[in-house]
Amino acid sequence: DTAVSQTPKYLVTQMGNDKSIKCEQNLGHDTMYWYKQDSKKFLKIMFSYNNKELIINETVPNRFSPKSPDKAHLNLHINSLELGDSAVYFCASSHWGPGELFFGEGSRLTVL
Amino acid sequence: DQQVKQNSPSLSVQEGRISILNCDYTNSMFDYFLWYKKYPAEGPTFLISISSIKDKNEDGRFTVFLNKSAKHLSLHIVPSQPGDSAVYFCAGYKAAGNKLTFGGGTRVLVKP
Repeated sequence: DTAVSQTPKYLVTQMGNDKSIKCEQNLGHDTMYWYKQDSKKFLKIMFSYNNKELIINETVPNRFSPKSPDKAHLNLHINSLELGDSAVYFCASSHWGPGELFFGEGSRLTVL
Repeated sequence: DQQVKQNSPSLSVQEGRISILNCDYTNSMFDYFLWYKKYPAEGPTFLISISSIKDKNEDGRFTVFLNKSAKHLSLHIVPSQPGDSAVYFCAGYKAAGNKLTFGGGTRVLVKP
């Protein structure tokens, strides 16, 4: 029973397309995140939500729009995909505070 | 603006020996530091953390040391085992904004 699950695991698409990645957690956490791991392997925070409220919105192009329908879900929609969007996107969840983040397995996005 | 830096991209160590991973940070406002371990095609998993008011925390084979004056922390793994072969990320946590900032990672290879 996966704690943080994200779908799809792999996504290959053309430039200009719109795509979504879904994330669900069954840990009862109140905070969810999206991280991006680029080709240089850096893990960078994109967004965080606490109780469905946007808390962190790093300098991410507004082609990226997160949506949190409830505390257990945080989806990421990307419009007009560009080559530079190719990366692995990780969803994570935690209780609010300095405790550990639980990560999903990642969604590898390849834009051709 | 890389607030957390892991200057060694890789480390190779013999099984049974000590692995020492280093991490430097520039932001004095971090409240906690955490170490995560990542296997290929999986999300990072939490390993150990330390409060910024402590200088050492130990959990089994893993010990983290914090030197605030030098803005430096290290993770010691003793003894190293082949299953420890992974990428290790150092991260700084700020309570303001509940934000975790990762370093670039160090790939560890433990040779049998």
